[in-house]
Amino acid sequence: GAVVSQHPSWVICKSGTSVKIECRSLDFQATTMFWYRQFPKQSLMLMATSNEGSKATYEQGVEKDKFLINHASLTLSTLTVTSAHPEDSSFYICSARGPGRVGRTDTQYFGPGTRLTVL
Amino acid sequence: GENVEQHPSTLSVQEGDSAVIKCTYSDSASNYFPWYKQELGKRPQLIIDIRSNVGEKKDQRIAVTLNKTAKHFSLHITETQPEDSAVYFCAASMGSGGSYIPTFGRGTSLIVHP
Repeated sequence: GAVVSQHPSWVICKSGTSVKIECRSLDFQATTMFWYRQFPKQSLMLMATSNEGSKATYEQGVEKDKFLINHASLTLSTLTVTSAHPEDSSFYICSARGPGRVGRTDTQYFGPGTRLTVL
Repeated sequence: GENVEQHPSTLSVQEGDSAVIKCTYSDSASNYFPWYKQELGKRPQLIIDIRSNVGEKKDQRIAVTLNKTAKHFSLHITETQPEDSAVYFCAASMGSGGSYIPTFGRGTSLIVHP
């Protein structure tokens, strides 16, 4: 149980276009999802926290107008990279706060990531 | 906010040896400390976690220790195997009712030589 999927797994796009990445919790409801960005050989950089039914909370330095996050349901959050540029190329990973062991809800499950390449 | 330091950044061992990765955290309110293993190009996978009411936890070849007073926790892998080669991340957060926004360490690249 506690599987998180992410789609697409990779995408190549032209500069100036927008790209949407979906993150789904397949077998549990996730009231909170997180979006990370990871550069090669580096740690996970939290971009934003997405709460179902409310606006996302963005980390300092992350442009909310560029990285649009929508958490429309308890199983789906989307990240849209608007007007993408080559510097937006990265590995984007989502995670969902899901069912841990009995009585605990703080275990975090990661999606497989999306490799974005902007030409 | 929370600050997590992780050392070493790279760890190279021979198959069968033990490996230890150490992390320190700054916020004494943190009470949940997971460890993740990330293989190249794949998602981070939770391998073990510990809460602040426990000092040590073991799962087969993997163990984690926590020293709340010193605010540090460590991952111990015994009898390492080549398939243990990956990047390992520690994290600290206030789970179970807290704000639960985990702060990750910078990662340790573990290389196990056959």
